[in-house]
Amino acid sequence: GDSVTQMEGPVTLSEEAFLTINCTYTATGYPSLFWYVQYPGEGLQLLLKATKADDKGSNKGFEATYRKETTSFHLEKGSVQVSDSAVYFCALSEKTSYDKVIFGPGTSLSVIP
Amino acid sequence: EADIYQTPRYLVIGTGKKITLECSQTMGHDKMYWYQQDPGMELHLIHYSYGVNSTEKGDLSSESTVSRIRTEHFPLTLESARPSHTSQYLCASSEYLQKRGRPNTGELFFGEGSRLTVL
Repeated sequence: GDSVTQMEGPVTLSEEAFLTINCTYTATGYPSLFWYVQYPGEGLQLLLKATKADDKGSNKGFEATYRKETTSFHLEKGSVQVSDSAVYFCALSEKTSYDKVIFGPGTSLSVIP
Repeated sequence: EADIYQTPRYLVIGTGKKITLECSQTMGHDKMYWYQQDPGMELHLIHYSYGVNSTEKGDLSSESTVSRIRTEHFPLTLESARPSHTSQYLCASSEYLQKRGRPNTGELFFGEGSRLTVL
């Protein structure tokens, strides 16, 4: 079945450091890929998405590129801020049905001043 | 900004009590979901609905039940709460565009969550 794997956390970075959170997926079809973010005490919200191979999603300085050849969708940001401290979830949804969204286990990020 | 609301945000109750977690959305979305989020952050789908009078069980078995009498409302009920039910419960919704002959985006809109503690 479909699945999503993320790098384990927690990840701790200093302010202005470069961030990469790895995400790889297994899917039988041609999924859409997502990154969701969960700030402390809140629900999840969509950060960015990509619907086909080589698409780049971007938002709030974060980027991720849909790599079909490596089945990956790594999240990157050039310079993190304290306000980026949150849990990040990689997810996929098959376009054929969209019956379910498959989430990765989440990666906790702490950014220290 | 998503228009999906959960109440209560926090609830502490004793064992054996009946509780209902409310979830409402004003976006007219057909599909709604309940996820349970454990302390390790992982999300587990426990219930979902395609629309009015539709309810389905998710991947994680749950003693809770749901109903969908109105499009905008998807409450979750525990008839007799136990300490093992202590968790964060997240409600979400999405459009079901296939019903309208269009490809879905797959994007979910989440409420802020209900944190339940059963003593």
